[in-house]
Amino acid sequence: GAVVSQHPSRVICKSGTSVKIECRSLDFQATTMFWYRQFPKQSLMLMATSNEGSKATYEQGVEKDKFLINHASLTLSTLTVTSAHPEDSSFYICSARDQDLLRKETQYFGPGTRLLVL
Amino acid sequence: AQKITQTQPGMFVQEKEAVTLDCTYDTSDPSYGLFWYKQPSSGEMIFLIYQGSYDQQNATEGRYSLNFQKARKSANLVISASQLGDSAMYFCAMRGGNTGGFKTIFGAGTRLFVKA
Repeated sequence: GAVVSQHPSRVICKSGTSVKIECRSLDFQATTMFWYRQFPKQSLMLMATSNEGSKATYEQGVEKDKFLINHASLTLSTLTVTSAHPEDSSFYICSARDQDLLRKETQYFGPGTRLLVL
Repeated sequence: AQKITQTQPGMFVQEKEAVTLDCTYDTSDPSYGLFWYKQPSSGEMIFLIYQGSYDQQNATEGRYSLNFQKARKSANLVISASQLGDSAMYFCAMRGGNTGGFKTIFGAGTRLFVKA
């Protein structure tokens, strides 16, 4: 199957700093990428849908100025957590969608990034 | 609006026995896809099985089968011959069609414990 990578896999930062997480589709072009957040022992919550070359669509309750998303190319989307606070500590997972919507498994997940804000 | 419901926070099963994990959904899209993912403690999302809304037969993938009852809007996962390595979190997910923006949403998850 297709491969999606995330970098970094884990990051620890001080409160008030910004953290950038990269999501790359390694062997396919992804016009759409999704960003999810998962708190411990909870489900994946969709934060935003990122479309290449256009502004991201954020889910209700997600602050667009807090979580900046850039999808500059067909293989790269970035999520920047600005002015991070301890409550932003979470597991962030990206997912990239292959253009072939007819294939059943068209959405591939990255390995996730664990963010800890001190 | 789309919704996925998993009502079993935790399930226990004896090794080599079969177990059913429940999932119900709601959507206004006529075309949609249903998925099950396994998430071990490492956090990675492992795709298990897929069922399309227009598929006539229930999906099967090795020891995994999906009991799809469209009228009841349920998509239960059946794991046969459970193994110790099956202990993990299991998420039911749905990808909507055009109305749902082709987004995939997840249920709350069920933690499965396989006993030796």
